[in-house]
Amino acid sequence: DVKVTQSSRYLVKRTGEKVFLECVQDMDHENMFWYRQDPGLGLRLIYFSYDVKMKEKGDIPEGYSVSREKKERFSLILESASTNQTSMYLCASSLSQVRRPQHFGDGTRLSIL
Amino acid sequence: AQKITQTQPGMFVQEKEAVTLDCTYDTSDPSYGLFWYKQPSSGEMIFLIYQGSYDQQNATEGRYSLNFQKARKSANLVISASQLGDSAMYFCAMRAVLSGGSNYKLTFGKGTLLTVNP
Repeated sequence: DVKVTQSSRYLVKRTGEKVFLECVQDMDHENMFWYRQDPGLGLRLIYFSYDVKMKEKGDIPEGYSVSREKKERFSLILESASTNQTSMYLCASSLSQVRRPQHFGDGTRLSIL
Repeated sequence: AQKITQTQPGMFVQEKEAVTLDCTYDTSDPSYGLFWYKQPSSGEMIFLIYQGSYDQQNATEGRYSLNFQKARKSANLVISASQLGDSAMYFCAMRAVLSGGSNYKLTFGKGTLLTVNP
């Protein structure tokens, strides 16, 4: 089975801090994604990457950046955390085949105080 | 731009009955795909079923089936013989192919919360 592991299940940070969310997948997937999930809004794509050192903006990239130095790891960075970034963050990965589903991690519930 | 609409914020069903969760979509791409995911209260997203726009038959996976009506742009999920463990949030998502043709991203609907009553 595909395993997508997010480094923290719950995280509490302060306004203005630089926050790193880490995601690792073990199935050699080319594509990796970061979403945020908010009640009533569903999942919204922040950034994605389809190769090492490649990144593309999703629908809501403002206030975020990403890093993909190795194929198995995709990091989401909040450069200066703000309270409106309190949310559930979900990482996903997939093969480069359009019928293949994205596989998700368990999510990180991030609170910015 | 692609859009996914799930009009039912919440649904209730009796155990052992069938339930249909609605999903309509809008896209100008002739080739597209639709996914359904389940999210229990624990938070993980579980892939359920996939339907490609050129697939000749409606997709089925165990108790899950997809009622795909291309002309109406709908891809409703049917769960047969509901179980208490089916209580969860259900998301419909549409695939948008990226440049190069082999990679894609998903656009999600807002979800439907299904509650199965004993």
